[in-house]
Amino acid sequence: GAGVSQTPSNKVTEKGKYVELRCDPISGHTALYWYRQSLGQGPEFLIYFQGTGAADDSGLPNDRFFAVRPEGSVSTLKIQRTERGDSAVYLCASSLGLAGGTGELFFGEGSRLTVL
Amino acid sequence: TQLLEQSPQFLSIQEGENLTVYCNSSSVFSSLQWYRQEPGEGPVLLVTVVTGGEVKKLKRLTFQFGDARKDSSLHITAAQPGDTGLYLCAGANQGAQKLVFGQGTRLTINP
Repeated sequence: GAGVSQTPSNKVTEKGKYVELRCDPISGHTALYWYRQSLGQGPEFLIYFQGTGAADDSGLPNDRFFAVRPEGSVSTLKIQRTERGDSAVYLCASSLGLAGGTGELFFGEGSRLTVL
Repeated sequence: TQLLEQSPQFLSIQEGENLTVYCNSSSVFSSLQWYRQEPGEGPVLLVTVVTGGEVKKLKRLTFQFGDARKDSSLHITAAQPGDTGLYLCAGANQGAQKLVFGQGTRLTINP
């Protein structure tokens, strides 16, 4: 498809388990973002990639969270030792990555993570 | 830490009425965006405002950026059921690529 694709759309896991969430951005978009949206809240920034490198990871809540984008396209958000508080919708967005600002972000539909 | 506060958090009105939602901060932003999000989907960009005092219109929606670039408003004229959704404002700073989102205004337009 032409939009940002995220898989899985839903993930239910048990406390303490490891989870991977995948994002396939719009072709040609060099910038990729991960946000987390808890129920009733706006999205919260986690990490931003420009190409293959994490240009800003200041939003990652702790060292259980890690993200990669090895070839500058698909990205994976990895969560170790999941906790119930990690339950949220994880949104991925991509943009052209133009200098000087965020430009228009194109969001995927999100991956809903539920930690039991 | 920069914060954006939106008000009201919930708004339910009848079709045909006008409404305004607000997005306020104590911090200055270089630009501000408004998004609309529907259940099960990601936010979709409506508009970007970059100049203090700027007003942009998108059909029945009017967006304004405050003179001091600390606040913004969204006014909808003659609301329709299709306007129902979560409206999010998001601020950005020059050179920074991350957006700071407000908590959203959940708007319901009743037929």
